[in-house]
Amino acid sequence: NFMLTQPHSVSESPGKTVTISCTRSSGSIASNYVQWYQQRPGSAPSTVIYEDNQRPSGVPDRFSGSIDSSSNSASLTISGLKTEDEADYYCQSYDSSNAVFGGGTQLTVL
Amino acid sequence: QVQLEESGGGVVQPGRSLRLSCAASGFTFSSYGMHWVRQAPGKGLEWVALILYDGSYKYYADSVKGRFTISRDNSKNTLYLQMNSLKPEDTAVYYCAKPTTVLLWFAESWGQGTLVTVSS
Repeated sequence: NFMLTQPHSVSESPGKTVTISCTRSSGSIASNYVQWYQQRPGSAPSTVIYEDNQRPSGVPDRFSGSIDSSSNSASLTISGLKTEDEADYYCQSYDSSNAVFGGGTQLTVL
Repeated sequence: QVQLEESGGGVVQPGRSLRLSCAASGFTFSSYGMHWVRQAPGKGLEWVALILYDGSYKYYADSVKGRFTISRDNSKNTLYLQMNSLKPEDTAVYYCAKPTTVLLWFAESWGQGTLVTVSS
């Protein structure tokens, strides 16, 4: 099995841009899609990015996703930060018999 | 719309068993695989198990393999998680989740979760 490693926390000011990384420990990040979830306190997760870089309907275009094979990582970028973006963010991928979540990143918008 | 409602959580002693249920509605339950995902208090998400649409294949996280059993009753639109030999580290909110239409391994819809506390 592989692991997905995320920074524990990030913080940035409203209106700025933040990028959250998700590094795959073994195997290629490009071999399987990565999905990103947002989770606010007391709520279930919701998808903000699917299939590496696709946004579900209703998710603002301030949210974008990408993968970088050179660093074997995926990234979630949020531009024009708003206080409502403050939440935990999780990346997720899979292999032939397991789903794997990253440890989560707490985003603070201050 | 998709609705998933978990039940069956509670306080249980280490070594005992508990069965969780997830009642599904708003979609054709028998056409979709289903997941259980858990979240320990103050911790991150951990995938627990997946069952295919017809129950033919089941997949488990190493942390629960041999102790937990995922199952489903398509006639009742209900997903189950039988948890045996419970340990304190199994304490978590347990979510059932419906995967996306295209990709089995990703969750698209989630229930509100049910809390399982393993403590003496």
